[in-house]
Amino acid sequence: SAVISQKPSRDICQRGTSLTIQCQVDSQVTMMFWYRQQPGQSLTLIATANQGSEATYESGFVIDKFPISRPNLTFSTLTVSNMSPEDSSIYLCSVGLAGGSYNEQFFGPGTRLTVL
Amino acid sequence: KQEVTQIPAALSVPEGENLVLNCSFTDSAIYNLQWFRQDPGKGLTSLLLIQSSQREQTSGRLNASLDKSSGRSTLYIAASQPGDSATYLCAPFTGGGNKLTFGTGTQLKVEL
Repeated sequence: SAVISQKPSRDICQRGTSLTIQCQVDSQVTMMFWYRQQPGQSLTLIATANQGSEATYESGFVIDKFPISRPNLTFSTLTVSNMSPEDSSIYLCSVGLAGGSYNEQFFGPGTRLTVL
Repeated sequence: KQEVTQIPAALSVPEGENLVLNCSFTDSAIYNLQWFRQDPGKGLTSLLLIQSSQREQTSGRLNASLDKSSGRSTLYIAASQPGDSATYLCAPFTGGGNKLTFGTGTQLKVEL
């Protein structure tokens, strides 16, 4: 498994501002992902954070709104830009660990964001 | 596009009961499937990973089965305890084997 930490754990922000969320892993990993969990909903994949190249975004998510950095194999950031109340969610990072023919994902504790 | 449904959406049982949580997915071309639990306001804890070549996987009081051809997975919880109270999420791997698609979850409450 992997130990994953996120900062901040929670924040309350004003609309129109931006928040950067950090994700730190205790070992080098190839695959890192960012998910969003809106209130009462399940998790939706935002993007795959690629080390040394631009992130790969899922349908409905764009780089201008959710810029992602991946400077090395243990760290990534997700920025939520120009926030509105609809961005109030839990944001989670995960890492994929490969073993033989399978991948398994492990999640950080999440960042609870409230936008006023 | 993969869609994942979990039944029941919510479940309340007395302590000691054996439970069955169901997960169905529309695209049977999955790589593996992972079960998680999520406690209120917290992140996800991985419970079990079933590889595509396996039919079941066991960890303690938990047993998960996988039937790819019918697009179904089942999580059995034996002798439930109040500490099992959480939301359980099913997530098959698609998109080259790296992407998880999450189900709607089953919210479980085990009462004393």
